[in-house]
Amino acid sequence: EVHLVESGGGLVKPGGSLRLSCAASGFTFSCCSMNWVRQAPGKGLEWVSSISSRSSYIYYADSVKGRFTISRDNAKNSLYLQMNSLRAEDTAVYYCARGFTEGFDFWGQGTLVTVSS
Amino acid sequence: QSALTQPASVSGSPGQSITISCTGTSSDVGGYNYVSWYQQHPGRAPKLMIYDVSKRPSGVSNRFSGSKSGNTASLTISGLQAEDEAAYYCSSHTSYSIVLFGGGTKLTVL
Repeated sequence: EVHLVESGGGLVKPGGSLRLSCAASGFTFSCCSMNWVRQAPGKGLEWVSSISSRSSYIYYADSVKGRFTISRDNAKNSLYLQMNSLRAEDTAVYYCARGFTEGFDFWGQGTLVTVSS
Repeated sequence: QSALTQPASVSGSPGQSITISCTGTSSDVGGYNYVSWYQQHPGRAPKLMIYDVSKRPSGVSNRFSGSKSGNTASLTISGLQAEDEAAYYCSSHTSYSIVLFGGGTKLTVL
């Protein structure tokens, strides 16, 4: 059974940094593109970033470009999101999800990031 | 890029059919057959219901179907059931190799 478990969320001050992790199990992690999608409280889904299976292709939403860095370690079955220069508007539940053009077929339960002074 | 356009809410009675629209441009919905639909119940992670415009993942009820015409994709739910009450989001791959989501549609089963 596919499992995606996010961790690393928490409270951080504006301008601060945070690193999210997503531990994958139940499938061959190295096969698949992975993504981060966020959802601000009471709001809709917003795609954040995608990384191809071997990290050859990486894409970011304009809202996070230059501040966030996606990476993965296929040997550790893990996906990461390094978030720098955090803003209040980055406050959201961050989900990791598997897939890309074919849709995001599995999602984690999310980790909450709160940016506040 | 702007989010895809969905109605904020739709409603229907049990047993009825409803359709949710998702309007984009020729650079996203209209240009690719990479439209997906997600169902999200409160406090839960989204669930993939439709991918590649009209394909259903294993385990998704055949009451859910998808289609596309021009720059508008649609999700139809037939035989509405109480458990279908949720938020629904469309998404599309774009010519800029990014993914756009719609603003979401709240489905109420009366």
